[in-house]
Amino acid sequence: AQSVTQLDSQVPVFEEAPVELRCNYSSSVSVYLFWYVQYPNQGLQLLLKYLSGSTLVKGINGFEAEFNKSQTSFHLRKPSVHISDTAEYFCAVSSGNTPLVFGKGTRLSVIA
Amino acid sequence: DGGITQSPKYLFRKEGQNVTLSCEQNLNHDAMYWYRQDPGQGLRLIYYSQIVNDFQKGDIAEGYSVSREKKESFPLTVTSAQKNPTAFYLCASSPAASSSGELFFGEGSRLTVL
Repeated sequence: AQSVTQLDSQVPVFEEAPVELRCNYSSSVSVYLFWYVQYPNQGLQLLLKYLSGSTLVKGINGFEAEFNKSQTSFHLRKPSVHISDTAEYFCAVSSGNTPLVFGKGTRLSVIA
Repeated sequence: DGGITQSPKYLFRKEGQNVTLSCEQNLNHDAMYWYRQDPGQGLRLIYYSQIVNDFQKGDIAEGYSVSREKKESFPLTVTSAQKNPTAFYLCASSPAASSSGELFFGEGSRLTVL
């Protein structure tokens, strides 16, 4: 069975500061990894995904993530956050033939 | 525009009543999913369907039912047997069961049981 652990439930950060949201996964097979963002009372929007190839993945809104197989991690980073990045972020894992398994989410609060 | 439409966006019901949440997609996706979201719990899978007229239970199927009579539609019924139905419900779809698993989400339906 697959599982995802998001190590921080809440991350406050000042505007224009860098941020890292941590995600670790467990799986006995090869995986696909995703980060989604959710704004209040809305659905989830894909930020980026790792399917294969380069371990550094770039997504929308200036976010990037690095797949580290040995550490079973897929941490999300942004070098300089904006107020508009305030949202909840979800890491998810799939083996391709099973539904996505989500972490519990990290609430990012950007402080002016 | 192609997408997933969930309705209603907000719904209030009395305890003991069944309620059906609608999910329609025009993306021509084969697979559809229902997740439940509670604060601090992330998304938990209720039911999913990889093909018309077939569906599987997810991790928290008790108290819920679904049907998949058409490719475009995957309604979810929250029955009176669901002990704690107040939650945010998200419908999603993916192109095929054997794809990467990437999901496309609707805007969600918030159910409040009084």
